[in-house]
Amino acid sequence: EAGVTQFPSHSVIEKGQTVTLRCDPISGHDNLYWYRRVMGKEIKFLLHFVKESKQDESGMPNNRFLAERTGGTYSTLKVQPAELEDSGVYFCASNFAPGYGYTFGSGTRLTVV
Amino acid sequence: QKEVEQDPGPLSVPEGAIVSLNCTYSNSAFQYFMWYRQYSRKGPELLMYTYSSGNKEDGRFTAQVDKSSKYISLFIRDSQPSDSATYLCAMSASTNAGKSTFGDGTTLTVKP
Repeated sequence: EAGVTQFPSHSVIEKGQTVTLRCDPISGHDNLYWYRRVMGKEIKFLLHFVKESKQDESGMPNNRFLAERTGGTYSTLKVQPAELEDSGVYFCASNFAPGYGYTFGSGTRLTVV
Repeated sequence: QKEVEQDPGPLSVPEGAIVSLNCTYSNSAFQYFMWYRQYSRKGPELLMYTYSSGNKEDGRFTAQVDKSSKYISLFIRDSQPSDSATYLCAMSASTNAGKSTFGDGTTLTVKP
């Protein structure tokens, strides 16, 4: 079984540019999540999709972040325009049902310079 | 104050030792409790999950939840160098089980 795949693994962009992160969950997992870890901080929740619907987006920091999951399969997280404080590791995770732990991807390491 | 506080470490033990990793929390609504292991440059890997209070054992790993004290633990028996990693606790409420709150992580080194 293929795991959760994230692309790219690394991205370095300039402040003000746009970056799009992609996540392919495990096939059949209706629940998809985005988390983020900034330097020196704990992993923090961004949002939760059930199929193509946003179940909870309470962790999205501001309107520069846009997540989509068209067709209930893969998801994208766009940051536009990127700021220095957006630097960190962005993790995607998926599961069959909430509460029982996630399968995480390896993350996208985003550096905004 | 953070909702989840994790013993910061780092922790260094000899091979074969019993390791105890601990987290405390303040939100009494938390019902789902998870432990993850994370190797460098990788995503967290789910080790164990428990619902509500009690113990759960899986091989060399035992997870304990004491809801009355708002305290959870992960014990590793017969620790191996391959157990060297960062361990993360995470928990969520039953009203929003999809949103987990993580501890900062404890880095463990098991020396041969």
